[in-house]
Amino acid sequence: QVQLVQSGAEVTKPGASVKVSCKSSEYTFTGYYIHWVRQAPGQGLEWMGWINPNSGGTNYAQKFQGRVTMTRDTSIRTAYMELSRLRSDDTAVYYCARSSYGDYVDGDPWGQGALVTVSS
Amino acid sequence: SYELTQPLSVSVALGQTARITCGGNNIGSKNVYWYQQKPGQAPVLVIYRDSNRPSGIPERFSGSNSGNTATLTISRAQAGDEADYYCQVWDSSTYVIFGGGTKLTVL
Repeated sequence: QVQLVQSGAEVTKPGASVKVSCKSSEYTFTGYYIHWVRQAPGQGLEWMGWINPNSGGTNYAQKFQGRVTMTRDTSIRTAYMELSRLRSDDTAVYYCARSSYGDYVDGDPWGQGALVTVSS
Repeated sequence: SYELTQPLSVSVALGQTARITCGGNNIGSKNVYWYQQKPGQAPVLVIYRDSNRPSGIPERFSGSNSGNTATLTISRAQAGDEADYYCQVWDSSTYVIFGGGTKLTVL
């Protein structure tokens, strides 16, 4: 059963960048979308965008355009989400999730989440 | 930009039927998805394309969508159904968008 394993928790400062990784245990990394969804403490879900690991094509939520970059390295079956110019309200758990679809997250599966704390 | 409105909380007696709504402008013309999230866990898709259940989701979960309101219905509610529930649509301008979430309490 495929698993997505994300990088560990990070503490970083305002204005800096953070890069979260998401590694697939399955050889067939391509052929699916990798969505990124975040959740601030006690708050709801917020979709950030997706990457198509096959083509490298991306689709970002308007809110994050210019601040987020999603990439992948197919040789090691890993997707990355980098968020720049961090603010305190970027403190959240960041999830990656595999999906056969770009318009929703069938979550087959989700990563375990990576807590990013932005604090001076 | 497109917005989805959910009640903050819904309560249901054990064994009764819970209905969680998701409001949006002409949401009936869109596909609606529902996710269940329990504390400390990643979300789980429970309904896709308005009314379809993924494999492994009990038949007690059903969905409907018409006009300006989509509804997730949970029949014979169990203690294990206590969770936050989020609706989601895809919109051509905002792409994937989630509702604010509804906390379901089973009494």
